[in-house]
Amino acid sequence: RKEVEQDPGPFNVPEGATVAFNCTYSNSASQSFFWYRQDCRKEPKLLMSVYSSGNEDGRFTAQLNRASQYISLLIRDSKLSDSATYLCVVKYSSASKIIFGSGTRLSIRP
Amino acid sequence: GAGVSQSPSNKVTEKGKDVELRCDPISGHTALYWYRQSLGQGLEFLIYFQGNSAPDKSGLPSDRFSAERTGGSVSTLTIQRTQQEDSAVYLCASSLLLQAHEQYFGPGTRLTVT
Repeated sequence: RKEVEQDPGPFNVPEGATVAFNCTYSNSASQSFFWYRQDCRKEPKLLMSVYSSGNEDGRFTAQLNRASQYISLLIRDSKLSDSATYLCVVKYSSASKIIFGSGTRLSIRP
Repeated sequence: GAGVSQSPSNKVTEKGKDVELRCDPISGHTALYWYRQSLGQGLEFLIYFQGNSAPDKSGLPSDRFSAERTGGSVSTLTIQRTQQEDSAVYLCASSLLLQAHEQYFGPGTRLTVT
């Protein structure tokens, strides 16, 4: 079993829809959690950190469920420009362990 | 300001040859990371540097891989006796501190071993 697992998708949703996807992690020693966004053939870029209490940044909401060991990303009022691969990242207190998920592909159609 | 740069952007090499990939982190960033991304896959964490030191080399795929960082700045990832399975995009990232949340990625080096 992978340490960090994501549904690869693709999620294909119409513009304006709300879409959510999860990421599960297996090691309870995980300390920090992030969502990165990667456009096709581009480098990943930080979308948002995920805090224990949940956090929101505009149309994006991230949540952490430590008991069930998953994080989620919700995108409201999706835009065409949201089409990308979303990577879940788990970081341990020792920086020697940083695990990226394989990513969830999201495609927004007009 | 300048971001993370990597060179070359593309490298095609014959099986068995050695290759050297270079990463220039953002000035002042003390932490530097190397990842590998195969087609359609997630990022595989290879190694990180805190300053010039790499405390944990266990993420490197084999002993053909080595990395160094000098002067707390530029890093090179060397792959000896390349194999076809080494073909991937090699990404470098840097962060201000090891504990910093955000890593800034370079554009990557696309390595093709024929």
